[in-house]
Amino acid sequence: QKEVEQDPGPLSVPEGAIVSLNCTYSNSAFQYFMWYRQYSRKGPELLMYTYSSGNKEDGRFTAQVDKSSKYISLFIRDSQPSDSATYLCAMSYNLGLTFGEGTQLTVNP
Amino acid sequence: GAGVSQSPSNKVTEKGKDVELRCDPISGHTALYWYRQSLGQGLEFLIYFQGNSAPDKSGLPSDRFSAERTGGSVSTLTIQRTQQEDSAVYLCASNPGRGGRDQIVSSYNEQFFGPGTRLTVL
Repeated sequence: QKEVEQDPGPLSVPEGAIVSLNCTYSNSAFQYFMWYRQYSRKGPELLMYTYSSGNKEDGRFTAQVDKSSKYISLFIRDSQPSDSATYLCAMSYNLGLTFGEGTQLTVNP
Repeated sequence: GAGVSQSPSNKVTEKGKDVELRCDPISGHTALYWYRQSLGQGLEFLIYFQGNSAPDKSGLPSDRFSAERTGGSVSTLTIQRTQQEDSAVYLCASNPGRGGRDQIVSSYNEQFFGPGTRLTVL
């Protein structure tokens, strides 16, 4: 069983929709939780990070962490075609980043 | 400024050949990471360099894989006797390297990724 599970999709939504991306994990030692965005043929880039449980908002993006359920989410409001990419969750404690498989998202105009 | 660069962008090789992949980190970044990205597998950590410390090789999948970092800057990942299952995108990342391998408590500790090298073993 993988330490971090993420539905690879693909996920296709119309422009303006609210998108929900999720990961579950099994290692309770994880303390840092991140979302990376990866465009086609590019390397991942950090989108958001949170420490421990709670919510964090940045523009149209909201990251949520529920450590009791070992569940993290990324919400994208008013999704745009430019949001079309693969979204990878990542988490760590002190032994490096562990990534989810990534969810491929397409926002249709 | 320039980001992380990797070369070549694409590499096609025959099974059994050796390949070398290059990574140029962001200038001044002391931490450098190699990952492998395969379909259905996500990003798999391979190796981590921090300054002049001994590298963390715990993610290397076999002894056919090795990496070095010369002068604390450029890194080369070498795969000997390539196999078809080595086909993947190999990503390099760097960060300023404050603290341990996973320091991301503030934005300047995020890992900055290169565009990757797409390796195909026939």
